[in-house]
Amino acid sequence: EAGVVQSPRYKIIEKKQPVAFWCNPISGHNTLYWYLQNLGQGPELLIRYENEEAVDDSQLPKDRFSAERLKGVDSTLKIQPAELGDSAVYLCASSLTTSPGSEQYFGPGTRLTVT
Amino acid sequence: GESVGLHLPTLSVQEGDNSIINCAYSNSASDYFIWYKQESGKGPQFIIDIRSNMDKRQGQRVTVLLNKTVKHLSLQIAATQPGDSAVYFCAEKDTIDTDKLIFGTGTRLQVFP
Repeated sequence: EAGVVQSPRYKIIEKKQPVAFWCNPISGHNTLYWYLQNLGQGPELLIRYENEEAVDDSQLPKDRFSAERLKGVDSTLKIQPAELGDSAVYLCASSLTTSPGSEQYFGPGTRLTVT
Repeated sequence: GESVGLHLPTLSVQEGDNSIINCAYSNSASDYFIWYKQESGKGPQFIIDIRSNMDKRQGQRVTVLLNKTVKHLSLQIAATQPGDSAVYFCAEKDTIDTDKLIFGTGTRLQVFP
């Protein structure tokens, strides 16, 4: 079974440019998460979707970050404009349900470098 | 700051020895805890979990211990192998939002022959 797929794996852009990341969760997983991981730190939740609905976006910097999951399957995360401090790994994860025991499966992440 | 994050706590062990990785969690109301393993260039991978009504749980070569009194979690790896080399994170469930994982500071495990 395919895991969580993310693309691109790496992205280098200049500051003030836009960038987008794509995620395809595991088939049948209704819940999708976007995390930010800075070097040497644990992932931090940006947004969580239940199907196509964003149920927790409290940590998403809405002035420059946006996300969508239009058909309740794959999702995109966008940054516009990017800043130097946005350099990090952006992880996508999915889970079958939201119950505490429902394991989150992580993709490999997209490593963003803003110059 | 950013420079602090670069200096992960590191545990170096010899192949075949047992490893113990510790974690202090912050929220006394958290009732679900998970250990993740993250290899270079990959996302975190689930290892083992434990609920707050348990003190110990065992898996294959791994054991998680929970001490709620001092809010401490540990991961024990038996007969550590080179493939165990990775960064290990503990995570707690926010009980207000039961599916919100809060990750702790990682520990880098290095296994040498």
